Amino acid sequence: GDSVTQMEGPVTLSEEAFLTINCTYTATGYPSLFWYVQYPGEGLQLLLKATKADDKGSNKGFEATYRKETTSFHLEKGSVQVSDSAVYFCALRHSGYALNFGKGTSLLVTP
Amino acid sequence: KAGVTQTPRYLIKTRGQQVTLSCSPISGHRSVSWYQQTPGQGLQFLFEYFSETQRNKGNFPGRFSGRQFSNSRSEMNVSTLELGDSALYLCASSSSDTSSGNTIYFGEGSWLTVV
Repeated sequence: GDSVTQMEGPVTLSEEAFLTINCTYTATGYPSLFWYVQYPGEGLQLLLKATKADDKGSNKGFEATYRKETTSFHLEKGSVQVSDSAVYFCALRHSGYALNFGKGTSLLVTP
Repeated sequence: KAGVTQTPRYLIKTRGQQVTLSCSPISGHRSVSWYQQTPGQGLQFLFEYFSETQRNKGNFPGRFSGRQFSNSRSEMNVSTLELGDSALYLCASSSSDTSSGNTIYFGEGSWLTVV
């Protein structure tokens, strides 16, 4: 079946460092791909999405490109802030079905 | 507009009891889904309701059930609670568009502790 694999955390970075969180997936067909973020004590917020190969999703300085050839959707940000500290979830979804999440990657940004 | 609203936010129950969680979707959204989040299993899909009918179901025992009302509000029920049911239960809503890229919006969740 479908699955999403994320890099193990926690990831600890200094403020203004470059961020990459790896995400790879296994799926049949052509799912849409998502990144959600969860701040402490809160629910999930959609960060960005891409619905077809080579699409780039972007939001709040974060970017991810749907790479079908490598089945990847890596999350990047050029300069992280303390306020970016959260847990990041990669997910895929086929039409008519539920979101299938990775295990999540915890990010801690220190001043 | 108001987001997805879940009540209660926190609750503690005793093993063997049952619990009902409530969810009000974003106005105009007719699809409501539920997810369970635990440290060990991560985020797992429970079920989805659309127009008062269960449209999808995850791999959970029959102790977990749900329903949706005509105003799209939804409830989920867990009977005969077990310690392992302690989790954050997240409700999510979306429009009637079933395409894979349709955005799913989450509430802040209901924290259930079973003692």
